Amino acid sequence: NAGVTQTPKFQVLKTGQSMTLQCAQDMNHEYMSWYRQDPGMGLRLIHYSVGAGITDQGEVPNGYNVSRSTTEDFPLRLLSAAPSQTSVYFCASSRPSLSGNTIYFGEGSWLTVV
Amino acid sequence: QQQVKQSPQSLIVQKGGIPIINCAYENTAFDYFPWYQQFPGKGPALLIAIRPDVSEKKEGRFTISFNKSAKQFSLHIMDSQPGDSATYFCAASAASYDKVIFGPGTSLSVIP
Repeated sequence: NAGVTQTPKFQVLKTGQSMTLQCAQDMNHEYMSWYRQDPGMGLRLIHYSVGAGITDQGEVPNGYNVSRSTTEDFPLRLLSAAPSQTSVYFCASSRPSLSGNTIYFGEGSWLTVV
Repeated sequence: QQQVKQSPQSLIVQKGGIPIINCAYENTAFDYFPWYQQFPGKGPALLIAIRPDVSEKKEGRFTISFNKSAKQFSLHIMDSQPGDSATYFCAASAASYDKVIFGPGTSLSVIP
């Protein structure tokens, strides 16, 4: 059971380039989300999805696009990379229940924009 | 009102000490309060969680204390070990199906 798998682990981009961070989960979770982690800022929600074909914006969506064509996959697209998007990105999935909403995170993708 | 505040930003304790991390929230609709633990180079993972109908929850050496009237909750780590050195995030959500809001994190170092 792989859980949440993110690729690539590390990436260096030039300003203005575009790229896609891949995310896949094998737990059949309805909810998937993308966070970015920056020093002193904690985990900030970029976009999330409550099921295939349904996405919504989080706290910091500008400069990012998502789509959810299947339950398993939730890619994050950087449209035109900027140095401010240098960060660690985490994909996550969850299946909320009456006892709570446990989030399962991937291992992270380290992105540097130069 | 969606914010979760967390302190301290960093904490250093000696092995065997009891580090305490505090969190506060404003949204009275929050009803689920998890703590996540993150080791360097890894994603966060759920450590322990509490609902507001209880004032304390223990799992091994980790205890959450919850004060509903003050809208505060805290994590205590008993007999801390160097292996507990990690970043700890408190979080809150308004319902089982709502987004989870994270605090800014506390970097804990337990020195031998």
